[in-house]
Amino acid sequence: ETGVTQSPTHLIKTRGQQVTLRCSSQSGHNTVSWYQQALGQGPQFIFQYYREEENGRGNFPPRFSGLQFPNYSSELNVNALELDDSALYLCASSPSTSSMAYNEQFFGPGTRLTVL
Amino acid sequence: GESVGLHLPTLSVQEGDNSIINCAYSNSASDYFIWYKQESGKGPQFIIDIRSNMDKRQGQRVTVLLNKTVKHLSLQIAATQPGDSAVYFCAEIPYSGAGSYQLTFGKGTKLSVIP
Repeated sequence: ETGVTQSPTHLIKTRGQQVTLRCSSQSGHNTVSWYQQALGQGPQFIFQYYREEENGRGNFPPRFSGLQFPNYSSELNVNALELDDSALYLCASSPSTSSMAYNEQFFGPGTRLTVL
Repeated sequence: GESVGLHLPTLSVQEGDNSIINCAYSNSASDYFIWYKQESGKGPQFIIDIRSNMDKRQGQRVTVLLNKTVKHLSLQIAATQPGDSAVYFCAEIPYSGAGSYQLTFGKGTKLSVIP
């Protein structure tokens, strides 16, 4: 087990609604990244947080936003849901000792979001 | 669990044989390359990584080869076992500035092991 947990496991929403997904990092990890994985595709980077600050962002619109808390847990918020937002949302934590260091990312099991 | 392998290229191998999974990457400036294994209903699991200044790295039953000339990465699994059945992704880390080491994943290959 990686130690990264995500909630909820599954979620069904309708178009236009808002959703919040949660992630608890592995103990000692201060960097969290979020990815979107559509069915049959590889994960796509949404953004990364390091010590509560956004530390890089992929090609996703502003309605995708996030937070990292002092205990390094994190939230992904998506506003104005669209049908194409249906995907598996993955959180990954890493034990970066600085924002310039590469360290292995440990993935959680994901949250399956379905937008109807 | 959901089928992460839908519409992906599939490699079928006999149990005990060696498997070779290939990947073409896009960014010649990428510094790290990583192989992940994803089983149905789970998040990707790290297998092995290689830095751009190396051309080969070995782990337990796995070897990664990097050919920067043709931007090609391969994963070799020795003595493939039924537990190796999963979708395999290569990922590269194109440094995006401001200290962000985001992973860029390839399309994935579904490995099916025949007992």
